[in-house]
Amino acid sequence: DSGVTQTPKHLITATGQRVTLRCSPRSGDLSVYWYQQSLDQGLQFLIQYYNGEERAKGNILERFSAQQFPDLHSELNLSSLELGDSALYFCASSGTPGRDGELFFGEGSRLTVL
Amino acid sequence: GENVEQHPSTLSVQEGDSAVIKCTYSDSASNYFPWYKQELGKRPQLIIDIRSNVGEKKDQRIAVTLNKTAKHFSLHITETQPEDSAVYFCAALFSGGGADGLTFGKGTHLIIQP
Repeated sequence: DSGVTQTPKHLITATGQRVTLRCSPRSGDLSVYWYQQSLDQGLQFLIQYYNGEERAKGNILERFSAQQFPDLHSELNLSSLELGDSALYFCASSGTPGRDGELFFGEGSRLTVL
Repeated sequence: GENVEQHPSTLSVQEGDSAVIKCTYSDSASNYFPWYKQELGKRPQLIIDIRSNVGEKKDQRIAVTLNKTAKHFSLHITETQPEDSAVYFCAALFSGGGADGLTFGKGTHLIIQP
């Protein structure tokens, strides 16, 4: 158990819909990262938050947004969903950004868009 | 930003033989290089990491080497066992303009043949 909690574990929805994925980082970790993993693909970095503020942006679509709340949990919002958005979405947390810290991954949220 | 290339995409070895996975990176300022193992349907987990002030690091059957001049690093697994079958991801820590995060390679599917 990494200490990072993601919900829901599985989600099936239709094209055009909007979903929210939730992540609770490890206790004490201030940094939250979101990654997308499509079938047979690597880990695509989407976005990073540190202590409530956006810290870095990767290949995140404009239809996607995220935020980190005062209690440090984070949500990834995916809207106007397309078939290609079907993927495993991982949240990860670490202690101190900019330092050589290990990333702790959650179990992932598997999104299927039909 | 950082770019990480990983080869091969698939590697099949006989049980007991060694496996080597190679990665190159583009940002000479990168200074932290972890390797993650992802078993089927599970989250990525850190197995070993190396920092730029070290050329080699070992942990039982796994070792990582780093050549900063050539900007490449490799994962070596000796005496492979069936439980080594998984997807392995290399990563490099990039930083710049206050943004931090890991860039992952596309992964290597390691298959251990009995």
